[in-house]
Amino acid sequence: QMQVVQSGAEVKKPGASVKVSCKASANTFTNYYVHWVRQAPGQGLEWMGIINPSGEFTTYAQKFQDRVTMTRDTSTNTVYMELSSLTSEDTATYYCARDGRNWSNWFDAWGQGTLVIVSS
Amino acid sequence: SLLTQPPSVSGTPGQRVTISCSGSSPNFGTNSVNWYQHLPGTAPKLLIYTNSQRPSGVPDRFSGSKSGTSASLAISGLQSEDEADYYCSAWDDNFNGVLFGGGTKLTVL
Repeated sequence: QMQVVQSGAEVKKPGASVKVSCKASANTFTNYYVHWVRQAPGQGLEWMGIINPSGEFTTYAQKFQDRVTMTRDTSTNTVYMELSSLTSEDTATYYCARDGRNWSNWFDAWGQGTLVIVSS
Repeated sequence: SLLTQPPSVSGTPGQRVTISCSGSSPNFGTNSVNWYQHLPGTAPKLLIYTNSQRPSGVPDRFSGSKSGTSASLAISGLQSEDEADYYCSAWDDNFNGVLFGGGTKLTVL
């Protein structure tokens, strides 16, 4: 059974950084691309980027290009997303999601979401 | 590049409803569309991938189709538990990323 567990909620001040983790059960993430998607309060889903199975390659949405870093630790089946220079507009629930098949861009397993609140 | 969905649709139990998703970018016609169901406070759930494929476990009441620059999600035999937000998505070459539609809120009357 696929199980993806994300780190807990965070409260950050403007200008700070946040690092969200996403850990999968055995074999859930091995050899799969992983995406990050966020949803601001009252808004729709927004794609942030993707990381390849080895962690050596990433593609980020242009909007986040200068502020986001996605990494992964294959030994622990954990993927990380770090977002810097936070503003109130980054208040959102952040999801990691497994790509269904070799960068097919459909997401068949999702984490439960991590709420990040940016407030002074 | 945009994916446009109606903000809301509604139906009564047992009815069939459709949710449309139209793409503004020319490459939308060649890229596959996927659909997700999202209930508040939960993770989105994959309903349809590659235009019309259903993952195991998704009831056959849910079906997807695509023609040209327009895609649709159909839900037949509407049930109260279908009340949720529905999103289409597709890779966009101009955006160089995954685009999501704005979402459609389904209300079961």
